[in-house]
Amino acid sequence: NAGVTQTPKFRVLKTGQSMTLLCAQDMNHEYMYWYRQDPGMGLRLIHYSVGEGTTAKGEVPDGYNVSRLKKQNFLLGLESAAPSQTSVYFCASSYETGGANQPQHFGDGTRLSIL
Amino acid sequence: AQSVTQPDIHITVSEGASLELRCNYSYGATPYLFWYVQSPGQGLQLLLKYFSGDTLVQGIKGFEAEFKRSQSSFNLRKPSVHWSDAAEYFCAVGTGSTGNQFYFGTGTSLTVIP
Repeated sequence: NAGVTQTPKFRVLKTGQSMTLLCAQDMNHEYMYWYRQDPGMGLRLIHYSVGEGTTAKGEVPDGYNVSRLKKQNFLLGLESAAPSQTSVYFCASSYETGGANQPQHFGDGTRLSIL
Repeated sequence: AQSVTQPDIHITVSEGASLELRCNYSYGATPYLFWYVQSPGQGLQLLLKYFSGDTLVQGIKGFEAEFKRSQSSFNLRKPSVHWSDAAEYFCAVGTGSTGNQFYFGTGTSLTVIP
């Protein structure tokens, strides 16, 4: 039972390069989320999705795009990477039923460095 | 606006000592409250959650938390800390306003000394 899987686990980019982070969940969860984690700032929500084909902005969406073409996958894209996007990125998913009392299940993170 | 405050950035305790990690929240409605633990290089793992009923909730690994509405707090406790409890701890508030968003505190780093 894999849960939430993030690929890649590590990546180094040069400023201006683009890349896509992939998140896959096998729990049939309706909701999926992308967060970034920076020292002293906790987790901040970038984008989220309430179902296949839907996406919405979170707290810090600028510079990122997302897509949810399949229920089990949630992609996070950086079109033109900037050093300020150096961070650890976490994907999470949760059930719809029961609302916000359903906890989120997290992947192990992607460590991204922008030079 | 919703917010979560963890006033202690870092705490050091001796193995076997008791532990309390503080969490205060700001939210207008009934909160859904969570504590997560993050070991180095890992994702977040749910320790426990509260959304109704008994204000003292039990979680995994011997942790418990108490919801105090009057103080807007949800403090995490453990009677006797083990060296393996050294990790980062995050408090979170869940809201159902739009898409079940969650707001996380900035975390408390726990060091356990022998």
